Amino acid sequence: GESVGLHLPTLSVQEGDNSIINCAYSNSASDYFIWYKQESGKGPQFIIDIRSNMDKRQGQRVTVLLNKTVKHLSLQIAATQPGDSAVYFCAENKGAAGNKLTFGGGTRVLVKP
Amino acid sequence: EPEVTQTPSHQVTQMGQEVILRCVPISNHLYFYWYRQILGQKVEFLVSFYNNEISEKSEIFDDQFSVERPDGSNFTLKIRSTKLEDSAMYFCASRGRQGSIQYFGAGTRLSVL
Repeated sequence: GESVGLHLPTLSVQEGDNSIINCAYSNSASDYFIWYKQESGKGPQFIIDIRSNMDKRQGQRVTVLLNKTVKHLSLQIAATQPGDSAVYFCAENKGAAGNKLTFGGGTRVLVKP
Repeated sequence: EPEVTQTPSHQVTQMGQEVILRCVPISNHLYFYWYRQILGQKVEFLVSFYNNEISEKSEIFDDQFSVERPDGSNFTLKIRSTKLEDSAMYFCASRGRQGSIQYFGAGTRLSVL
């Protein structure tokens, strides 16, 4: 999801369920994508990344899917835990990897016990 | 685990005053960045820095902004004459030569009164 101003889309999920967070990116030339997690009062924390030559990448409890045809990125969190409550941002990198990141608007995930 | 550290965590200043935000990137990293996040909005790129010079900057990074790496460990962002609209969270990030992941600090909250 994308946000406008103060209105972050919010995903409420029951503890133990899986979460799916979506992100649309704008630049077809982007070749590197990252998901960051931001907890209140903290900086963005790296979760997982994927390059444009891949469709899927798995980490510990997280999976990122990339659909270049529709310029869509998703983050799946398995067995969501209370500690997963945060705002999640996707970011894209245009051109050489490691250059400036362009962030999406963020999605707030609230995990209900 | 190595981390990017930023000081101060909160800076309050009067409009028109100069501020310097400080960052200590991860020690073996070579690429440095500043981003900002106005309350409730996206994280926005300001500037990237490599080999003692700016490699890219955004429209936000006008003549009032400057960056410096005064020694082997610090990376600073200076705003010469702060405006009310400079109030935001400022994040420093760094990345190493081999990896593409940008690691972020916890941020400095700048409040311009």
